[in-house]
Amino acid sequence: AQSVTQPDIHITVSEGASLELRCNYSYGATPYLFWYVQSPGQGLQLLLKYFSGDTLVQGIKGFEAEFKRSQSSFNLRKPSVHWSDAAEYFCAVGGVSDYKLSFGAGTTVTVRA
Amino acid sequence: GAVVSQHPSRVICKSGTSVKIECRSLDFQATTMFWYRQFPKKSLMLMATSNEGSKATYEQGVEKDKFLINHASLTLSTLTVTSAHPEDSSFYICSAPDSLGTDTQYFGPGTRLTVL
Repeated sequence: AQSVTQPDIHITVSEGASLELRCNYSYGATPYLFWYVQSPGQGLQLLLKYFSGDTLVQGIKGFEAEFKRSQSSFNLRKPSVHWSDAAEYFCAVGGVSDYKLSFGAGTTVTVRA
Repeated sequence: GAVVSQHPSRVICKSGTSVKIECRSLDFQATTMFWYRQFPKKSLMLMATSNEGSKATYEQGVEKDKFLINHASLTLSTLTVTSAHPEDSSFYICSAPDSLGTDTQYFGPGTRLTVL
């Protein structure tokens, strides 16, 4: 069975500081990994995804994530957060071409001035 | 990018009534759509896979008679919560895979259902 763990329920970060959100997954085969962001009143927006190849993935809005197979992790990072980055972030894992996603519980990011 | 819409964005109904939620892919066709349920401060839980022209596939533990899914066309899937009860109150989100084979899913903005 596939599953995703996001250990941090809530993170508060100062504007301009760096951000790292943790994600660990369990999957029986080669996983497809995703990070989504959810803002109030808006649908989930894909930040980035990893299918294969380079384990450091660049996404939108200045985010990046690194796939570490040995640690079953796919942590999301941003060097300098903006107030608009305050949102809920979800890590997800899926299979090859079945599109079914298992989501982590989410991490709420609060950005303080 | 591709857009998925949901209607209504929020609905309040009395216990025992049925509620229909629509999910539309606005600028692409989707033979498959997915319905998720999200509880407050909780993750999204996949409820079912909606298949155009055939029956929906439900995840374990999801009552198919309670949550009726119809995929009437390549751009529309509907979720009907039948005989709704307060415990059905939740945030329902649909998604549709990109038709270009990029393995990307697009999510609707969600529907907040409150059952009184």
